Amino acid sequence: GESVGLHLPTLSVQEGDNSIINCAYSNSASDYFIWYKQESGKGPQFIIDIRSNMDKRQGQRVTVLLNKTVKHLSLQIAATQPGDSAVYFCAESRPGYSSASKIIFGSGTRLSIRP
Amino acid sequence: NAGVTQTPKFQVLKTGQSMTLQCAQDMNHNSMYWYRQDPGMGLRLIYYSASEGTTDKGEVPNGYNVSRLNKREFSLRLESAAPSQTSVYFCASSPWDSNNSPLHFGNGTRLTVT
Repeated sequence: GESVGLHLPTLSVQEGDNSIINCAYSNSASDYFIWYKQESGKGPQFIIDIRSNMDKRQGQRVTVLLNKTVKHLSLQIAATQPGDSAVYFCAESRPGYSSASKIIFGSGTRLSIRP
Repeated sequence: NAGVTQTPKFQVLKTGQSMTLQCAQDMNHNSMYWYRQDPGMGLRLIYYSASEGTTDKGEVPNGYNVSRLNKREFSLRLESAAPSQTSVYFCASSPWDSNNSPLHFGNGTRLTVT
């Protein structure tokens, strides 16, 4: 069935390096994508979003890239810090579904930072 | 600004017991949602309320009921808890029922059913 998935369930990165978290989606009609960060014991926190009419969007230390040709989404975190340790989820919005059912979440990637 | 507040933070129930999970938001958002999160899985939508006075089923509604009490509050009820309902429950809200608005989440209720 349709799903949002992740290439790597866990990612270990040296502090100060850049992190890249990947996400594949299967519905080519999806038109809105969101990245969330979830720290232990907390709810998901919005990081950045991107609409399908864009291929890149930058925030503070984060960049989201969207490649609609291969249905791939990535989150890049520059100069990774210990506070970036968390589970990262991508989510997609599927047109044609009723309102809130549009949004489906991937299973998450855990990012751990090596000192 | 507290955002989305969920109570209780933790709960242990015996099979067959009932309980209500409470959620309130102070952001004047129109839409509210209940998700569950199981280990190694993404969030799955249980029920949502696009606006005050309306509720609709999500992906996994069986065993749950909801009430949109007013614009601020959206509660989730388990009438007869089952071990399969052991999970972390997240409430979320968004300004409007749109596919272009990120969700704002509470910190969750960790429920164990024995």
